[in-house]
Amino acid sequence: EAAVTQSPRNKVTVTGGNVTLSCRQTNSHNYMYWYRQDTGHGLRLIHYSYGAGNLQIGDVPDGYKATRTTQEDFFLLLELASPSQTSLYFCASSDEGDTEVFFGKGTRLTVV
Amino acid sequence: QQQVRQSPQSLTVWEGGTTVLTCSYEDSTFNYFPWYQQFPGEGPALLISILSVSDKKEDGRFTTFFNKREKKLSLHIIDSQPGDSATYFCAASRNSNNRIFFGDGTQLVVKP
Repeated sequence: EAAVTQSPRNKVTVTGGNVTLSCRQTNSHNYMYWYRQDTGHGLRLIHYSYGAGNLQIGDVPDGYKATRTTQEDFFLLLELASPSQTSLYFCASSDEGDTEVFFGKGTRLTVV
Repeated sequence: QQQVRQSPQSLTVWEGGTTVLTCSYEDSTFNYFPWYQQFPGEGPALLISILSVSDKKEDGRFTTFFNKREKKLSLHIIDSQPGDSATYFCAASRNSNNRIFFGDGTQLVVKP
């Protein structure tokens, strides 16, 4: 079974601060995703990637940057965090041509 | 524009009862429809899925129905158990690519 590990699991930062959320998957999946989950909005796609160095824009990209440094590692960057970015963030991965998505356990981010 | 609409937002059923969750979608090119189950503190995980060439798929107590003409799908859980208490997401994609669109989720509580 695919393993997707996120760190940190919890993070509190101040408005205007810098935050980096990390994700590593160990099954050599091509695709990796960052979602945010908010009550009433379900899972919304922020950015995704289909390989090292590739980045695709999702549905709610404003205020977020992402970088895929290797096949395994995908990072989400918030350079000027705002309270509206308080959310539960999920990283996920899937294989080429296989639509099952494997999720990490999530990072709860609070911006105060 | 939301691609996948899900209802209800929350639902409470008694143990042993039947749970019915529904979804609708807009894009007729969608041909793969998974349901994901999420327990508190965990990421979503694939529960059951159906392709548009089928109208029903069963897996134990879980059955998903697909109506292509009406662009609707549903998830039925028979003999609902307290352990089924979770958030359920319907989703849709074109299985020619790895982009999945999620509904807003239904929070299910099964009372003993």
